[in-house]
Amino acid sequence: GAGVSQSPSNKVTEKGKDVELRCDPISGHTALYWYRQSLGQGLEFLIYFQGNSAPDKSGLPSDRFSAERTGGSVSTLTIQRTQQEDSAVYLCASSQNRQGSYNEQFFGPGTRLTVL
Amino acid sequence: GDSVTQMEGPVTLSEEAFLTINCTYTATGYPSLFWYVQYPGEGLQLLLKATKADDKGSNKGFEATYRKETTSFHLEKGSVQVSDSAVYFCALSDNTGGFKTIFGAGTRLFVKA
Repeated sequence: GAGVSQSPSNKVTEKGKDVELRCDPISGHTALYWYRQSLGQGLEFLIYFQGNSAPDKSGLPSDRFSAERTGGSVSTLTIQRTQQEDSAVYLCASSQNRQGSYNEQFFGPGTRLTVL
Repeated sequence: GDSVTQMEGPVTLSEEAFLTINCTYTATGYPSLFWYVQYPGEGLQLLLKATKADDKGSNKGFEATYRKETTSFHLEKGSVQVSDSAVYFCALSDNTGGFKTIFGAGTRLFVKA
């Protein structure tokens, strides 16, 4: 079946512009995560959606970052007034997250964001 | 809150050497434990998992045992290959209401021929 997809795969933008990154999770997965991975670094948690619960936004680095998940499926991560330090690969993952499952995360290929 | 700590890298080994990457965790409940791997230029993928104490996860010659008494899930492989060069992430998933997954910082492994 289809895996997690993300678009665009690459995005180059100018400092100060807004960008939107899209994630299509695996159908039926109730949980969706956004992470950021800078060059050679680990995973930085950004935000977590679980079903209809209020999202866990504890990882968002500033109020320029926001995310929404419509209809419990597709998610959009928005970065306003981009800065050069926002340049990174943005990863999306989804999982089933239910009692009795392993809650394995399935990752998308990522969006590489470059802010000039 | 829950957390995962893994050994800092990079780890550099010669081919056929024994590998251990340490991982310890802090959790209030009984989480599931995972190792994910990211090969150069590729996305993260699950390597192995264990869901309860004393379970051993294994895949591709890698093994890790869920040790509740030491809150550890160390990754081991008896004989590494150049193709094992990657970044390895230890993770836990809270199996109670939140189900949130928490990742360690990652350990980069270089294997020399």
